Amino acid sequence: QVQLVQSGAEVKKPGASVKVSCKAFGYTFTDYYIHWVRQAPGQGLEWMGRINPNSGGTNFALKFQGRVTMTRDTSISTAYMELIRLISDDTAVYYCAHDILTGGSGVFDVWGQGTMVAVSS
Amino acid sequence: DIVMTQSPDSLAVSLGERATINCKSSQSVLYSSKNKNYLAWYQQKPGQPPKLLIYWASTRESGVPDRFSGSGSGTDFTLTIRSLQAEDVAVYFCQQYYSTPALTFGGGTKVEIK
Repeated sequence: QVQLVQSGAEVKKPGASVKVSCKAFGYTFTDYYIHWVRQAPGQGLEWMGRINPNSGGTNFALKFQGRVTMTRDTSISTAYMELIRLISDDTAVYYCAHDILTGGSGVFDVWGQGTMVAVSS
Repeated sequence: DIVMTQSPDSLAVSLGERATINCKSSQSVLYSSKNKNYLAWYQQKPGQPPKLLIYWASTRESGVPDRFSGSGSGTDFTLTIRSLQAEDVAVYFCQQYYSTPALTFGGGTKVEIK
């Protein structure tokens, strides 16, 4: 079955960068968009952006443009999200999520387990 | 961006009773030519990622119990849990995907047992 497995928790200092990985299992990686969503402690869900694993094309929420990069390595069915110039407000659980439709509908039917990123001096 | 507003922020319901959660979008998420509302609902339990319950406003995801139902159109939507079970204690989020790729979520509604 479809499964997404993310990399482990990270602790970073303000101004640093973090790169989170998301390895896909159980389907053809290039057929479905991967999205990234984050959740600050005790808060709601915030969509960050998406990547088309086939073309490598990306779209980002305005808030993150210029600070986020999304890439993929099709040889190992893995997507990556890198966030630079971290601040304390970036402390959150970061999720990758599989799009339910091949066209990139924006509905997420399978989620990774989440990666906690803590930003602290 | 389309703003999604959920109400109430939290509610307590007795076991076996009905729970109703509302979600309002700042603009219509109905794609008229397809007659589809681009609205999804997710359930999130503590320490877990969200789980998809409903999409196209009323289509249940495979494996979701039929006590969960979605309704509404345009800008006003409702998630109903027909007969609340203990395992339904969670936070519920609505999400619009009309303005893909600028996707937005509601703030969440916490459901507890009374």
